[in-house]
Amino acid sequence: GENVEQHPSTLSVQEGDSAVIKCTYSDSASNYFPWYKQELGKRPQLIIDIRSNVGEKKDQRIAVTLNKTAKHFSLHITETQPEDSAVYFCAASFLNYGGATNKLIFGTGTLLAVQP
Amino acid sequence: GAVVSQHPSRVICKSGTSVKIECRSLDFQATTMFWYRQFPKQSLMLMATSNEGSKATYEQGVEKDKFLINHASLTLSTLTVTSAHPEDSSFYICSPLGTGTEAFFGQGTRLTVV
Repeated sequence: GENVEQHPSTLSVQEGDSAVIKCTYSDSASNYFPWYKQELGKRPQLIIDIRSNVGEKKDQRIAVTLNKTAKHFSLHITETQPEDSAVYFCAASFLNYGGATNKLIFGTGTLLAVQP
Repeated sequence: GAVVSQHPSRVICKSGTSVKIECRSLDFQATTMFWYRQFPKQSLMLMATSNEGSKATYEQGVEKDKFLINHASLTLSTLTVTSAHPEDSSFYICSPLGTGTEAFFGQGTRLTVV
């Protein structure tokens, strides 16, 4: 069945260092890969996403890379700050012909702690 | 972005009672609604997909008679947890399907069954 694996489950870095979170997916039909940041008791917030026709996307300190052949994608956060501390989830989905996302299959989550 | 309103945000109920959670898409019409459940320190797991005017499709392991989903209009879907038990205590989040790429989420409902 559809499955998304995420590693590591916890990650502690010093402020200013980089953080990398990796995910693999099983459904080769997946073509949309968003990353979410979730604070305790809150809804997930989209921080960056990538479509399968792109290998890399960057938005300021955040970047995502996708290897469609290997079916894995990664989140890179540079110059981490204490406010980056949260749980991060990767997800895989399928965009229909209209470009709307279908159900999301979430990874297991990574608790990122940025030490000041 | 789209506005999604989910209520209540928190609810505490006694074991054996039923709880209804409402999810409204305020500025767009959602033909499809996804309902997710998140246990503490775990990921969001899809429970069911509902389409306006038809029966919901439940994921494997989710009891359809326990988690009743109604999607009577394009702007409102409800999830009713029937005969709730402590193991149903969780964070429930709705996600209406919009027309764009980005998925939108309700604020979530923290259900505690005592």
